[in-house]
Parts: sequence; structure tokens; C-alpha cells
Amino acid sequence: NAGVTQTPKFRVLKTGQSMTLLCAQDMNHEYMYWYRQDPGMGLRLIHYSVGEGTTAKGEVPDGYNVSRLKKQNFLLGLESAAPSQTSVYFCASSYSPGQGSNQPQHFGDGTRLSIL
Amino acid sequence: AQTVTQSQPEMSVQEAETVTLSCTYDTSESNYYLFWYKQPPSRQMILVIRQEAYKQQNATENRFSVNFQKAAKSFSLKISDSQLGDTAMYFCAFMPRRKTSYDKVIFGPGTSLSVIP
Repeated sequence: NAGVTQTPKFRVLKTGQSMTLLCAQDMNHEYMYWYRQDPGMGLRLIHYSVGEGTTAKGEVPDGYNVSRLKKQNFLLGLESAAPSQTSVYFCASSYSPGQGSNQPQHFGDGTRLSIL
Repeated sequence: AQTVTQSQPEMSVQEAETVTLSCTYDTSESNYYLFWYKQPPSRQMILVIRQEAYKQQNATENRFSVNFQKAAKSFSLKISDSQLGDTAMYFCAFMPRRKTSYDKVIFGPGTSLSVIP
């Protein structure tokens, strides 16, 4: 059972570079999420999606874009990386209330991203 | 706005002993979920235990149990017979219960627990 898979696991970027983080889930979940984790701040929601073709802003969306072209994939993009975006990024997915319950969220293993 | 507070940034416990991690939250919602997640050094986020606010009975999962005090908005986690594998960051989390739409999970800042041999 793959669950939620994130690629890559580690990445170092230079300021101004762009990149895309990929999240894939094989559980037929409607909802998908991108979080960032910083010391002393827990997890903060960047963007989320409640279904294929839909996305919405979370708590800290600035500097990020997302796309959900396929139900199983949720992409997080950084167009022009900044040192403040150095963090650990987690993808998660869950069923929707319409599928039964949107809890619990299932998490990927995280991506450690460093911006120099 | 909902907030989740974990007042203990770091804790330690001797192996086989019992430890309690504190969590308080602020909300005007009447129906919601509360969670404890464990994040070991491997970085995985693992759901430890879940509580639904309308259930008065405290949730238990093997060595893990909660003390849910709805009026006090308190949700502490008790770990009995602590094991070395319990060493991890523990996050308390809150989510309003919605039947038809999405609402976000609010995470606390975490408590780092070390189990000492």
C-alpha cells in the first residue's frame, strides 16, 4: 500500500529558482492538502483541494501555486524560491464528508526543501 | 478563530513510566474533532488517537488515552508504559466537524517527548 507519496524527499534550491513538488495518493481521496512545517509552529496549511480541478488557499498561500489536474495528484509549485520558504513540506489526503468522513488525514513522508 | 496551544515544548520520561502531554484549544464550535499526531525522527505524521467532541467517553488506543474536558477545552494525552519508540514530536490538532464541506485542521506547535532508557 503506497498511501501518500511525495517526491522529491530532499531538495536544495538557489534563491529565484523554481520547482514543483509532487504528491500522489492511491486511496481515491477527494481532499488533498499541502502543509509546511517550521520549528515551533506546527503545521500550517498552504493550499488545499476538495476535488479534481479545484484548489483553494490555506493559511499561508503566498509564494506558492498548486494544481489538481488529476484526482490522485496534487502539485505544489514555487515560482521564485525565497529563503523564507526553507521548510519541510507535507502533503496529506483524506476522504470528503460525502465519501463518509474527511478524517483522518493521511500524510506523506515530507520533503525537506532548503533555499540558499 | 480557532487556536491550539501546547504549553510544554519539551518533555522527558523514563522508560516504562507514564507521561501526560497537555493541549488546550479555543473555539466557539460545538461539534468538532480532536487529534493527537506523532512525528518520530523519521518525520512521518502518524495519527495516534482521535476524539469526537460529542462523545463524552475518553478515547483510548492501547497505551495511549486522552482526558477530554470539553468545558475546559482541554485535551491531554497520556502515554502509559512509555517505550523508546515513543520518542517523537507530538502534535495536538483540532478540526470543526462538517457534514458537507471542508474545514481546516488547526495544529498546535508540538511537544517534543524523549523517552529515557
